[in-house]
Amino acid sequence: GAVVSQHPSRVICKSGTSVKIECRSLDFQATTMFWYRQFPKQSLMLMATSNEGSKATYEQGVEKDKFLINHASLTLSTLTVTSAHPEDSSFYICSARGGEQLNSPLHFGNGTRLTVT
Amino acid sequence: AQSVTQPDIHITVSEGASLELRCNYSYGATPYLFWYVQSPGQGLQLLLKYFSGDTLVQGIKGFEAEFKRSQSSFNLRKPSVHWSDAAEYFCAVGARGGSYIPTFGRGTSLIVHP
Repeated sequence: GAVVSQHPSRVICKSGTSVKIECRSLDFQATTMFWYRQFPKQSLMLMATSNEGSKATYEQGVEKDKFLINHASLTLSTLTVTSAHPEDSSFYICSARGGEQLNSPLHFGNGTRLTVT
Repeated sequence: AQSVTQPDIHITVSEGASLELRCNYSYGATPYLFWYVQSPGQGLQLLLKYFSGDTLVQGIKGFEAEFKRSQSSFNLRKPSVHWSDAAEYFCAVGARGGSYIPTFGRGTSLIVHP
């Protein structure tokens, strides 16, 4: 089945620094990837849709200058949290469609636990 | 716009007992429906999906779900729960047509007692 690899699984950084999270589709090509944020005991909040070769589409309320998304190839999307602050601490999960059809189920990475001190 | 309601935040069952997790959706037409499971600190794994056809859908790990249009529901069931089933369960609905991006419910935490 389709596998999505996310790295790192955990990261601790100091306030004001930037952190990059990678999301890779290992055995399939993903023209579209999705970045979610999950607060403790809550659902997944879609942050942005990452499109290969074009700009990401951000959901309302998500700062695009703070959460930089780059989808440079068909197998890699990156999320960079710039000038991180403690309120950015969260669980970030990426996902990708498992097939070309729009109704293909999403396959998820294992998430990245970001802690900003 | 579509929305999903999972009315139960926590469900506690004994190992070996049956399980039903509730999911209600709001959408103007027949949606795509999914159930995902999330273990602590992990991503989400697809349990099953409904697109069309038979309203009783079989998934992995012995789970099944039934789409009931009249009730706008897609409840997840398992006849006998194992301790390893303890996890967070998310119902999701996707709109047909357009770019399709699923909307997730807030999740139900399943606790299994030995």
